[in-house]
Amino acid sequence: AQSVTQPDIHITVSEGASLELRCNYSYGATPYLFWYVQSPGQGLQLLLKYFSGDTLVQGIKGFEAEFKRSQSSFNLRKPSVHWSDAAEYFCAVGAHAGNMLTFGGGTRLMVKP
Amino acid sequence: DTGVSQNPRHKITKRGQNVTFRCDPISEHNRLYWYRQTLGQGPEFLTYFQNEAQLEKSRLLSDRFSAERPKGSFSTLEIQRTEQGDSAMYLCASSPGGSGDFTDTQYFGPGTRLTVL
Repeated sequence: AQSVTQPDIHITVSEGASLELRCNYSYGATPYLFWYVQSPGQGLQLLLKYFSGDTLVQGIKGFEAEFKRSQSSFNLRKPSVHWSDAAEYFCAVGAHAGNMLTFGGGTRLMVKP
Repeated sequence: DTGVSQNPRHKITKRGQNVTFRCDPISEHNRLYWYRQTLGQGPEFLTYFQNEAQLEKSRLLSDRFSAERPKGSFSTLEIQRTEQGDSAMYLCASSPGGSGDFTDTQYFGPGTRLTVL
């Protein structure tokens, strides 16, 4: 069965600092990987996705993620965090059949002024 | 494209009552998914439709839960005899993917927050 682990439940960074959110997955075949962001009272918004090809993928809002098969990781990065990035971030892996997503537990990001 | 909509946004009910939620997917999206998200957790898959056919159901979906997508457009999720453990956010997502397409993207609605007293 597939699973996703986000080791950091909470992360606090200063505005303008760089950010890296960790994601480790377990899946027997080539994974389909996603990062979503959820703001309070809002639905999940897709930041980026990886299906195949270049292992460094660019997303919206200046985010990027790197797929590392050897480490079973898909970490999310941003070079300079803005206060509006404060939210909860979810990593997910998709199954081949039907593409139902398995989500990690999420990382709550707080941004200090 | 108005996005995925869900109604109601909030529902408070007493234990033992039945509740029904509605999801309107993005127009012409073939797939529709239901997830449940409890406080402090990531969403958990419940069930999925390809057009009007319900193709997958999680073991989380007990016999008190039923979902339909009668004409391949909107979907309803009904919970019978609600329990306090059913309190959660119920998320709906849709994706354009046709049969055999495993790489399409799910777009989520704002969710329905259920509180069972």
